[in-house]
Amino acid sequence: DQQVKQNSPSLSVQEGRISILNCDYTNSMFDYFLWYKKYPAEGPTFLISISSIKDKNEDGRFTVFLNKSAKHLSLHIVPSQPGDSAVYFCAASPRKNDMRFGAGTRLTVKP
Amino acid sequence: KAGVTQTPRYLIKTRGQQVTLSCSPISGHRSVSWYQQTPGQGLQFLFEYFSETQRNKGNFPGRFSGRQFSNSRSEMNVSTLELGDSALYLCASSFSLDTGELFFGEGSRLTVL
Repeated sequence: DQQVKQNSPSLSVQEGRISILNCDYTNSMFDYFLWYKKYPAEGPTFLISISSIKDKNEDGRFTVFLNKSAKHLSLHIVPSQPGDSAVYFCAASPRKNDMRFGAGTRLTVKP
Repeated sequence: KAGVTQTPRYLIKTRGQQVTLSCSPISGHRSVSWYQQTPGQGLQFLFEYFSETQRNKGNFPGRFSGRQFSNSRSEMNVSTLELGDSALYLCASSFSLDTGELFFGEGSRLTVL
């Protein structure tokens, strides 16, 4: 039962352009959302989060947008850099525990 | 401070065997959760422990079990291994159950032949 879905397994963008990674969820009880980044041979690392009381959270080049009515969130990376190439996991949870992850999107940023 | 440590990093087993994986959380973290990562399935939640008690459990068969010790270290066990159990098993820790952000270890790569 995939409660968190990342429908694009991969995404390729040119350096300097915007990367947009998408995530959909089905459980209306989810109220806290996060993005993690994973490099090969390393564990995922926390990137950015947003709670359901907000619709946008920004941290440097990374911005997460939340559309609660559509049960959709997205991660924008502007400008994209080759070092951003990694697998990005979307995660969601009710009350910040019992976190559920999507299948991941592999982002490749070409120089 | 030291991060989350998982051992072993790599292991190979045959069908029917069992395996035990270990996770040492960040010092002071009391919550440990386990995830299975396979291609196309992403990170699937196995279980979460806090203060030696299992608080949440994912949708995995009973062959998958775990425990947490008084020092917050955790182990997970998989019995009667199947080929489909080949995956990267990730452990994550957090200070408490509701702090949100998880800190992951590098994972234990299990191959079942």
